[in-house]
Amino acid sequence: EVQLVESGGGLVQPGGSLRLSCAASGFSFSDYAMIWVRQAPGKGLEWISVISGSGGTTYYADSVKGRFTISKDNSKNTVYLQMNSLRVEDTAVYYCAKGGAIIRTFCDYWGLGTLVTVSP
Amino acid sequence: EIVLTQSPGTLSLSPGEGATLSCRASQKVSSIYLAWYQQRPGQAPRLLFYGASTRATGTPVRFSGSGSGTDYTLTINRLEPEDFAVYYCQQYGDSPWAFGQGTKVEIK
Repeated sequence: EVQLVESGGGLVQPGGSLRLSCAASGFSFSDYAMIWVRQAPGKGLEWISVISGSGGTTYYADSVKGRFTISKDNSKNTVYLQMNSLRVEDTAVYYCAKGGAIIRTFCDYWGLGTLVTVSP
Repeated sequence: EIVLTQSPGTLSLSPGEGATLSCRASQKVSSIYLAWYQQRPGQAPRLLFYGASTRATGTPVRFSGSGSGTDYTLTINRLEPEDFAVYYCQQYGDSPWAFGQGTKVEIK
């Protein structure tokens, strides 16, 4: 059974940093792309970033490019999202999702999400 | 950047009725790169379709996906109580892998 468990969310001041983690199980982690998606309170889904199975290829939304970094530790079955220079508008529930074998992929399994609140 | 526009924003229907949800892209999207998701209140999204019309595991047969080019449709036959939710389309062919803004299907 595929399981994705996010952690690392919390309250942070504008300009601060957080690192989110997503622990995966139930599939061959190194073979699949992983994705981060966020959802601001009462709003829709926003795709943030994707990383290939090997970790060698990444893409970002313009809204986070240069501030967020996605990475993947295949020895720990964990994907990370390093978030720097946080803004109030980054406040959201952050979901990690499992992708397919190629980077152009949909999200076939989702975690429950972790809440990030950016506030003075 | 491809922008997806979903319509209508809200659909008010009764259980047993049918629903037709639209997703229009600002430029052509290959159908192999179009997905639909369902999000119930307080829950994470759930994949319904990928490749525009291929059901994900567990997607009931009353749901169907279709379309090509810039116009895609999610159809729900005979709404069940658990189908009242928000539905999102997503393209994953070109970065950024954008979502539409969602269509809420609510109980009339």
